Amino acid sequence: QQPVQSPQAVILREGEDAVINCSSSKALYSVHWYRQKHGEAPVFLMILLKGGEQKGHEKISASFNEKKQQSSLYLTASQLSYSGTYFCGTEKGSGGKLIFGQGTELSVKP
Amino acid sequence: GAGVSQSPSNKVTEKGKDVELRCDPISGHTALYWYRQSLGQGLEFLIYFQGNSAPDKSGLPSDRFSAERTGGSVSTLTIQRTQQEDSAVYLCASSLVRTSATGLYNSPLHFGNGTRLTVT
Repeated sequence: QQPVQSPQAVILREGEDAVINCSSSKALYSVHWYRQKHGEAPVFLMILLKGGEQKGHEKISASFNEKKQQSSLYLTASQLSYSGTYFCGTEKGSGGKLIFGQGTELSVKP
Repeated sequence: GAGVSQSPSNKVTEKGKDVELRCDPISGHTALYWYRQSLGQGLEFLIYFQGNSAPDKSGLPSDRFSAERTGGSVSTLTIQRTQQEDSAVYLCASSLVRTSATGLYNSPLHFGNGTRLTVT
């Protein structure tokens, strides 16, 4: 079952903050976050695992509330390069498939 | 090292013809996914291969779609009797399945650049 992302779209000025939410109706085992720029393939941002582990390599933070079956991606002091479509992907079981939400389009303006 | 390679990058075909899309995953990656992305839309799951397990075909939209993965490496997605609604970008991704304190999880997915399929 596909996770639900909100908002669907957001427009920011450089330097502003944004939060993108991802929720599921079923228990989650892990949450992935990816960013896709127009005409390009999605690029990995962050993994959050059940039990609290986080793995990422960009200056972006995220949270994973297992009880609420939700994850949030926090983009602070946004830069023009943050523009793109953000996807969360959820894994419901150990080693299971990754299903993506419908995406959140983020536009950062000068 | 080499990333995920997909071929062809573009394919134009006539309605009713069969097409084959190829994916070369990163060497050693045990998990392989096919997703479909229509213009301006999200990533629609099609099929998931993991090691020697039976593939998860739950996302294939009809029996015209099939996929195989030979020798745990290269994968081919076949669409028979193509329809105009099959037009989309078909993305392949591969990953390792790693162990955490609570079990197995997919490590970051590495995506290919996709095959843009146009059915006329």
